[in-house]
Amino acid sequence: SAVISQKPSRDICQRGTSLTIQCQVDSQVTMMFWYRQQPGQSLTLIATANQGSEATYESGFVIDKFPISRPNLTFSTLTVSNMSPEDSSIYLCSVKGGTEQYFGPGTRLTVT
Amino acid sequence: DAKTTQPPSMDCAEGRAANLPCNHSTISGNEYVYWYRQIHSQGPQYIIHGLKNNETNEMASLIITEDRKSSTLILPHATLRDTAVYYCIVRVGTSGATNKLIFGTGTLLAVQP
Repeated sequence: SAVISQKPSRDICQRGTSLTIQCQVDSQVTMMFWYRQQPGQSLTLIATANQGSEATYESGFVIDKFPISRPNLTFSTLTVSNMSPEDSSIYLCSVKGGTEQYFGPGTRLTVT
Repeated sequence: DAKTTQPPSMDCAEGRAANLPCNHSTISGNEYVYWYRQIHSQGPQYIIHGLKNNETNEMASLIITEDRKSSTLILPHATLRDTAVYYCIVRVGTSGATNKLIFGTGTLLAVQP
């Protein structure tokens, strides 16, 4: 299994600013994923991040708004740029290990 | 990946079996059925997955119909801690470029004391 930690666990940010979320895994993994969960909604995949290559974004998500870094096999960051209240969500990091996929505890972001 | 349909909510009495249905009528031969759950304010947790045969682990049993167009997740003795949103997901294979999990709306299971 994989243990995932995220920082910060929650934050309240001003409109127009940016926040970088960190994801740390206790083992080396090839594929990492970033999801968004808006209030009362299911999870939506933002992008897939493989070490050593550019992240692959899902429809509706762009690199300028959600830049992702993947410097090594245990770490990734997601930046939420130029935030608006519509970006208020829980952001979750996820990794694949074997046949399962593991999720971090999430970062609860509120934009005022 | 095939689309899944789940009831939005279900109730279950504590100690009784919880049977959560999922329809996936467009499932392809190489697509697996996965179940995850999300307890309030936590990240999703893997429960079980299967291709054709019924599967059982320490958490649950997965019953897949012979035509694979539907499945049922069974929690044999539900407890209050099983109250969560349960997601049924179909996905091609377990490795490769199609690894991503696409979540539907899920079923909110409320276990009643």
